[in-house]
Parts: sequence; structure tokens; C-alpha cells
Amino acid sequence: QQQVKQSPQSLIVQKGGISIINCAYENTAFDYFPWYQQFPGKGPALLIAIRPDVSEKKEGRFTISFNKSAKQFSLHIMDSQPGDSATYFCAASSGGYQKVTFGTGTKLQVIP
Amino acid sequence: SAVISQKPSRDICQRGTSLTIQCQVDSQVTMMFWYRQQPGQSLTLIATANQGSEATYESGFVIDKFPISRPNLTFSTLTVSNMSPEDSSIYLCSVEMSTDTQYFGPGTRLTVL
Repeated sequence: QQQVKQSPQSLIVQKGGISIINCAYENTAFDYFPWYQQFPGKGPALLIAIRPDVSEKKEGRFTISFNKSAKQFSLHIMDSQPGDSATYFCAASSGGYQKVTFGTGTKLQVIP
Repeated sequence: SAVISQKPSRDICQRGTSLTIQCQVDSQVTMMFWYRQQPGQSLTLIATANQGSEATYESGFVIDKFPISRPNLTFSTLTVSNMSPEDSSIYLCSVEMSTDTQYFGPGTRLTVL
């Protein structure tokens, strides 16, 4: 499977701050870039996703920024809350969910 | 949305035995996927299971080790055969409901002694 590189591995943010997670990919055939949130003992849940025809997508406090030329995309969590503490995975695929490649995950801790 | 259940939620097994994991979805879906997630690690796709056809396995995974059944549009099983401690992992099933929507089950935590 093609690689998706994710950083940082872990992140500690103060409540109210901005959490930023970055991902980079190699395969230019990727055309779908979802982000997942996973709480301990649970399966991942789709958080937000973007396609390369837009440079930014916002849903509530969550924003994806996409840079097609650099083959990079990032997740911004505005006004981070303790309830956002979870592991976040970026992913990439071509042709829907049949060949999804996941990043290595970022463990986010939001402290009061 | 889709509600996905998995059985068992966790199990401890002896080396050399096999375990079958069940995945039940509350609505009909065409495509079901099986993933493996080692503790603290990322997810790796094992195979894609379509109803009425053979499962498609990813590189590094073979049918003899991970046989999959897909008898109808709401159910699938994954068997982990001839287990070794290296098979200790979380196994997750997933479904694609529509474009841009993928749901995961809660996972089955397997420990092989």
C-alpha cells in the first residue's frame, strides 16, 4: 500500500487552543482524503473528508486544508476541548473506500 | 448511518487454534472491509468482502490464514486461523454506506498466548 505520512505522533494542546495535524502522501492517484477520530476501545469514526478539487473544507471546529501541489493536507481543530482528546488518523484513497491507506495516527490530549 | 456490531468483543486464545469473528450491520451494504489494528498502531486493510464473490485480499494477507465469508448483505465473518502471538491485534470490520461515508465496528480485541 502507498504510504501516508502523519505528524506529530502525539500532541498536547491547552483547552481553547488550535490543534494541527499534518499528513503527506506520495501517490498522485489519491483522490479522497478522510480524517478519522478514534476513542480508546472504539472503532474509528469518520470526522471530515476532502477531495482535491477544493483547498479547504470546514465543518464546525474542524477544518481540512489541502495543498495539491505539495501533496500535503492537514487537520485543524479550533477551540480544542478536552472531549477532543483521541487518536486522529488521516487517510487517502483512490476510488472510494476500497483501497484506503491510513496514516500512523496522532494521539491528541487537550488539557484544561 | 449504520450500526455495526462485532462478536466477540474480545478473546484470549491459545496458539494454533482458530477464531471466527462476526460482523453484523443493521442495513444492507454492498462492500464490507476487514482491518487489523495492532495496539497503538494504524489500521491495515486485510481484505474486501463483496456478497456473492470471493474476498479480495491485500498484499501480505492470504485466504488460508484469514478466510472470509459473506453470506448476505448484512453479515460477514473473518476467521483467524492457526493463530500465533503475532496475530494479537484488534480486528475491525467496516462498511461503505455511500460515497464519502464509511463506518467501523467497535472491533474485536484478540490476544494469542
